[in-house]
Amino acid sequence: EPEVTQTPSHQVTQMGQEVILRCVPISNHLYFYWYRQILGQKVEFLVSFYNNEISEKSEIFDDQFSVERPDGSNFTLKIRSTKLEDSAMYFCASSEGAYPPRGEQFFGPGTRLTVL
Amino acid sequence: QKEVEQNSGPLSVPEGAIASLNCTYSDRVSQSFFWYRQYSGKSPELIMSIYSNGDKEDGRFTAQLNKASQYVSLLIRDSQPSDSATYLCAVNANSGYALNFGKGTSLLVTP
Repeated sequence: EPEVTQTPSHQVTQMGQEVILRCVPISNHLYFYWYRQILGQKVEFLVSFYNNEISEKSEIFDDQFSVERPDGSNFTLKIRSTKLEDSAMYFCASSEGAYPPRGEQFFGPGTRLTVL
Repeated sequence: QKEVEQNSGPLSVPEGAIASLNCTYSDRVSQSFFWYRQYSGKSPELIMSIYSNGDKEDGRFTAQLNKASQYVSLLIRDSQPSDSATYLCAVNANSGYALNFGKGTSLLVTP
């Protein structure tokens, strides 16, 4: 069964460093998303991406964040200058469409980001 | 602030019983409703989606939606110890693609 994949599974970085989290969405899906989950808290939406553009973003997704689809398969989240509070699990998700019944979002296994 | 509320639990049920999980949401324009299961340290796994008022059944799972009351629930019949996890309710409004998650209800199924 097709699935979303993410690399790396765990990333440790120093505060102020740049990190790039990578995702390969399900191949026939057109909508891509990033969410994060701080330990013990709820899953929070960061950004959605369609047709090589950001379609929606949350207040969390400020200027230090960016997303890119560098080729036909990868979808990346870049954090330019990491802060301690960026430590979280980052999930990539994809969906076939945006609205019912094709709007179901399927999540990857996540990247645990630890900022020291 | 658009809220999705769930009782954090833990909800403890014996093996073979029905587990009932509830969720309320504040945004009246919400159109799509989802239940995800999340095991500790893992990612959310989609269980059910529901878009219309009423019940939707899939195997041992039944989702129920009442838009007038802004309420969605998940019933798990014949609960198994492997169902022990956190169940996340997620909602998205017609205006956007973002899923708004509740904090989740922890379910413990005891043998």
